[in-house]
Order: sequence, then structure tokens, then C-alpha cells
Amino acid sequence: DAKTTQPPSMDCAEGRAANLPCNHSTISGNEYVYWYRQIHSQGPQYIIHGLKNNETNEMASLIITEDRKSSTLILPHATLRDTAVYYCIVRVPFDYKLSFGAGTTVTVRA
Amino acid sequence: NAGVTQTPKFQVLKTGQSMTLQCAQDMNHEYMSWYRQDPGMGLRLIHYSVGAGITDQGEVPNGYNVSRSTTEDFPLRLLSAAPSQTSVYFCASSSGSRGYTFGSGTRLTVV
Repeated sequence: DAKTTQPPSMDCAEGRAANLPCNHSTISGNEYVYWYRQIHSQGPQYIIHGLKNNETNEMASLIITEDRKSSTLILPHATLRDTAVYYCIVRVPFDYKLSFGAGTTVTVRA
Repeated sequence: NAGVTQTPKFQVLKTGQSMTLQCAQDMNHEYMSWYRQDPGMGLRLIHYSVGAGITDQGEVPNGYNVSRSTTEDFPLRLLSAAPSQTSVYFCASSSGSRGYTFGSGTRLTVV
């Protein structure tokens, strides 16, 4: 798997959009970008994934740059319940060895 | 649809004891894996399976055994518990390119 770089922490105001960056400059052509989050003491939760097109679901949007070397996860209206560690992972779909880095600790403040 | 179920939720073992952490999924996922998470750290892959009868080692396999006799179940066995195995253990399953579904974890303390 290509490695990813994320900021260690960030704060966000409740109700505002949270934009979480991820750098994956060595990503290969068949690797997808996945995002997970882990709320304190719980198992990680899948959020979204994409290859090269922008993706949106009920939880978040994923914006991948044209060169695919970086991406941004957008939580459109952050709530206190979005406080968690967010992990950006790149992998080939049928490589089942997920490698979790340190992630970004996001704190949503009232 | 229960997803991924892990039992027990909490366990205290004495050094040298053995035990099995259970993991079951009801989503007919081919792929299952075990991770451990130490305090303040990310998840590390212990073992994984791409289907019934097929298992392989991850980053930190020493001291653990797995087997996959059915699609649904993927138990993790601690052969002789050591304090260094005190951790939170997560089981996960996936199908194809979809993201993994994780269980709620087993919190293990070895004294």
C-alpha cells in the first residue's frame, strides 16, 4: 500500500464544514482512497472511498485531486458526534491488508 | 442483520493462559481480519483470511493462531497469554472493494 500523510489533529466548530486533508503522493493507478473514523473506544467505521472521481454519500464527500496525489474528506455540517480519529488509507481493492496510520484527531467544538 | 459480532467484550487472563476470541459475521463476506490496538496507537493487523480454509499472517502474528472453517466465523486463539498482549482486539469483514465492517472489540487484559 502507498503511504498517507495526515495532520495529527484539527478542530472544527459545530455546524461548520470540516475539511480533512490527506496526502498520498505515491499512490498507484489501481489504488483506491478509503476513509474510516474511530470514535473513542469503538471499532473503526467505514465512511467513503473513491478511485479518481469525487464521491458523496450520506456521511461525507470525498474530493480527489486530478493527479490523485491528495484528497480531502469533507464533513458538511460537523456535529459533536463527529469527534473522532479519521484515517485515510490507500489500497488495491482486493488487498485485504489494511494499514492504519496515526490518523487525524478531529475535535468538534460547540 | 447483526454485522460483525465479537465475544467476549471484556476478558482478564493470567499469564500463560490460553483463550479464544470469537468473531462472527452474517453478511456473507469473504474477507475477515483481526487487528489489535494498543493505547494511543493505530490498529495493527494480526491475521487475515480471504475465504474459508485460507488464512495468512499480518504485521504482528506471533502468539496468535487463526482458522477459518466457515465463511461466518474467524476465531483468534491466544496460545499462552503474555502481558504484552494486553490490548483491544477488533475483528473486521469485507466483500470486494467495499470498506471493512468492524466489530465493537474485545478488551483483553493479561495480568
